[in-house]
Amino acid sequence: DAKTTQPTSMDCAEGRAANLPCNHSTISGNEYVYWYRQIHSQGPQYIIHGLKNNETNEMASLIITEDRKSSTLILPHATLRDTAVYYCIVRGMNSGYSTLTFGKGTMLLVSP
Amino acid sequence: DTGVSQNPRHKITKRGQNVTFRCDPISEHNRLYWYRQTLGQGPEFLTYFQNEAQLEKSRLLSDRFSAERPKGSFSTLEIQRTEQGDSAMYLCASSFRSGGASDTQYFGPGTRLTVL
Repeated sequence: DAKTTQPTSMDCAEGRAANLPCNHSTISGNEYVYWYRQIHSQGPQYIIHGLKNNETNEMASLIITEDRKSSTLILPHATLRDTAVYYCIVRGMNSGYSTLTFGKGTMLLVSP
Repeated sequence: DTGVSQNPRHKITKRGQNVTFRCDPISEHNRLYWYRQTLGQGPEFLTYFQNEAQLEKSRLLSDRFSAERPKGSFSTLEIQRTEQGDSAMYLCASSFRSGGASDTQYFGPGTRLTVL
């Protein structure tokens, strides 16, 4: 599965939109982009995933570029409870769409 | 709440002892995964089951580790002769897989193991 590159850390003011980038330049056509987050000492929480089209749910929006080489997770109105490590994961046929390969993620700090 | 549950949440043991963790997946989920997470790192895949069949094991899963899912529902992960390097958070996830499509894994709260 394609590897991803994320910034180590980001800051965001409470109430503002948090835009978390992810680079996956070697992604192939049948690979999905997944986002999870992990609040300190808890299990990872699923946020959203997509293949080609942009996606939105109650938690976030996922914007995938047309060439699919990068994506952005958008938290429209960040709150203090959104402070967490955010993982961007590409998942595809090489893993049989089974395992998730986590990197180190982006530590998002939301401040008052 | 019908999410993934794990027990115990915390386990402290002495080196050389055996420990067993339990995971109860979301009802009707046919896949169950185990991951391990050490401090400062993302979770690492250990093994997964589809129903009662163990389909894949990571090379991280040494001979001291064994996992079972006897009736295709809950699963246990046993570590024999624990070592200090086994200290980590052990995470369980479950999903429903149908056909060849990608499935979404939902994680439990984890079991934190400390080996003294």
